[in-house]
Amino acid sequence: GESVGLHLPTLSVQEGDNSIINCAYSNSASDYFIWYKQESGKGPQFIIDIRSNMDKRQGQRVTVLLNKTVKHLSLQIAATQPGDSAVYFCAERSGQNFVFGPGTRLSVLP
Amino acid sequence: NAGVTQTPKFQVLKTGQSMTLQCAQDMNHNSMYWYRQDPGMGLRLIYYSASEGTTDKGEVPNGYNVSRLNKREFSLRLESAAPSQTSVYFCASRNRGPRDEQYFGPGTRLTVT
Repeated sequence: GESVGLHLPTLSVQEGDNSIINCAYSNSASDYFIWYKQESGKGPQFIIDIRSNMDKRQGQRVTVLLNKTVKHLSLQIAATQPGDSAVYFCAERSGQNFVFGPGTRLSVLP
Repeated sequence: NAGVTQTPKFQVLKTGQSMTLQCAQDMNHNSMYWYRQDPGMGLRLIYYSASEGTTDKGEVPNGYNVSRLNKREFSLRLESAAPSQTSVYFCASRNRGPRDEQYFGPGTRLTVT
């Protein structure tokens, strides 16, 4: 899988703007996907999931889009708040287990 | 309901020392996992236990052993620590319901000098 080593991709957005975080997954047979949020010093927490038979799912202020043709997931956060600052991971269910992407750091500017 | 707990939170070892990382969950989940997270990288699976009494290797099992002591507890052992094992270790349990979610512990930050 892709590795970004020590340098996580970073997305900086103004408070109140919308954020879009992208993720490429590797296995076209993956049937289920999750976005996790990881705050500094904590374990990842579930945000939203989507099955491969869907192309869009909405939660509270978050939307996940799935494009199976190009094996791409995105997470949209509406009206980004300071509390949204974290690292965001996508995970694909591949066989019995999950494979995690390298993550994107979201930084919310005042 | 504490979720997933891990001990210790921090540990410093010298090369060649051994230690066991402890993990427990109180959600009655069958599956439990150990991951490591290195700076700027995603989580990599070390070992997992699909159910009590079974364990299997993940992506990066070398240098580690695990024990599924009972349904609640899943421990990770480093027999002879190496600097390459410096990392943050996360334990997770999994609820295979309609929402197939892993619940993560707070992590153990391990430094091997």
